Amino acid sequence: NAGVTQTPKFRVLKTGQSMTLLCAQDMNHEYMYWYRQDPGMGLRLIHYSVGEGTTAKGEVPDGYNVSRLKKQNFLLGLESAAPSQTSVYFCASSYWRGSGANVLTFGAGSRLTVL
Amino acid sequence: AQTVTQSQPEMSVQEAETVTLSCTYDTSENNYYLFWYKQPPSRQMILVIRQEAYKQQNATENRFSVNFQKAAKSFSLKISDSQLGDTAMYFCAFVTNPGGYQLTFGKGTKLSVIP
Repeated sequence: NAGVTQTPKFRVLKTGQSMTLLCAQDMNHEYMYWYRQDPGMGLRLIHYSVGEGTTAKGEVPDGYNVSRLKKQNFLLGLESAAPSQTSVYFCASSYWRGSGANVLTFGAGSRLTVL
Repeated sequence: AQTVTQSQPEMSVQEAETVTLSCTYDTSENNYYLFWYKQPPSRQMILVIRQEAYKQQNATENRFSVNFQKAAKSFSLKISDSQLGDTAMYFCAFVTNPGGYQLTFGKGTKLSVIP
């Protein structure tokens, strides 16, 4: 099993450009998440989804949009990139109940630089 | 709002020695999960250990164990027989259960294991 796969792993954008980060999981997890990691800040939740067709805002949602059209995929979009969005982005997924509930499986991260 | 505090930004330990990483949290909930995640230089987030708040017994995973003090809202991680591969950022995280979607992460402790 591949687990959680994020693409691309690296990207450089100019201010105002748009892009989409793709997250795919093959574990049949119900929940999916997008976090950003900045130095000294830990991980902060951007958006999350509790099932296909549903999304919700996390702690730092401004400037991002998400979609979950299929259970295995969770897309993170930046419509007009800003330098403040320079960060490492992590996708994660988990079951919603049982012994695996809330145990996140993370992707390898995507480093985004906005010039 | 729930908060997670890791008061030690950086720590070091000699190989084969024992080290304890501190974590405190704040919540009004009675039922929740606590986690320690490890992030080595490869950037991959890896679950180290999980503790359910209703269990009084401290969780252990091989060389990793926790000291869970519910009344004090403290959740420290002890690493025994430290190895060079333990060099990483360690994040404490918290989620309410049932129904919790949003893990709250601390800002991390950078652990260096010295040969």
